[in-house]
Amino acid sequence: SQELEQSPQSLIVQEGKNLTINCTSSKTLYGLYWYKQKYGEGLIFLMMLQKGGEEKSHEKITAKLDEKKQQSSLHITASQPSHAGIYLCGAATSGAGSYQLTFGKGTKLSVIP
Amino acid sequence: DSGVTQTPKHLITATGQRVTLRCSPRSGDLSVYWYQQSLDQGLQFLIQYYNGEERAKGNILERFSAQQFPDLHSELNLSSLELGDSALYFCASSRQSRPFIHNEQFFGPGTRLTVL
Repeated sequence: SQELEQSPQSLIVQEGKNLTINCTSSKTLYGLYWYKQKYGEGLIFLMMLQKGGEEKSHEKITAKLDEKKQQSSLHITASQPSHAGIYLCGAATSGAGSYQLTFGKGTKLSVIP
Repeated sequence: DSGVTQTPKHLITATGQRVTLRCSPRSGDLSVYWYQQSLDQGLQFLIQYYNGEERAKGNILERFSAQQFPDLHSELNLSSLELGDSALYFCASSRQSRPFIHNEQFFGPGTRLTVL
């Protein structure tokens, strides 16, 4: 089965600083999803990457999928308190019409004003 | 707001009981997924339905079952509840319009189940 490891597990940064969260897969990634979750709430979709080398940006958040498609990184530029939360990466399991996601344990981000 | 709705938001019940969680997917989405999130196991896939048919099963217990109705809403039934079933249960939906093309999954706000 596919396993996803996220690092770091938690991160505390000063407002305005840049940060990177990594997601490493034990197998080739066919689709990599990034979500943000506020504690105890639903998951907010951020980005989906499918092609090796693909990079997507939304506001101050950029996600990349490496060429070998086994690792993704999420980079936040000039962090703000609104970026605080738990970031989860999810990998699509390619199968016969099945697209369930396997998730990492998450990275808890705190941004100090 | 993702467009996926789940009811109820909170549910408190006793061990041995049975509960039903409901999910309405985004308009036009044919696939519905159920996930369980607990502190020790993280977010885990339970089951997927596509246009009324079961498509995939994950770590779903035999005490749990689900179905998707003709109007595409879905229900997750949990029976003989145990303390360890306390968790956040999420429903997600996606378009899945073409095979092997991955579409975004949009998550509902979740149902928090507490088993006492």
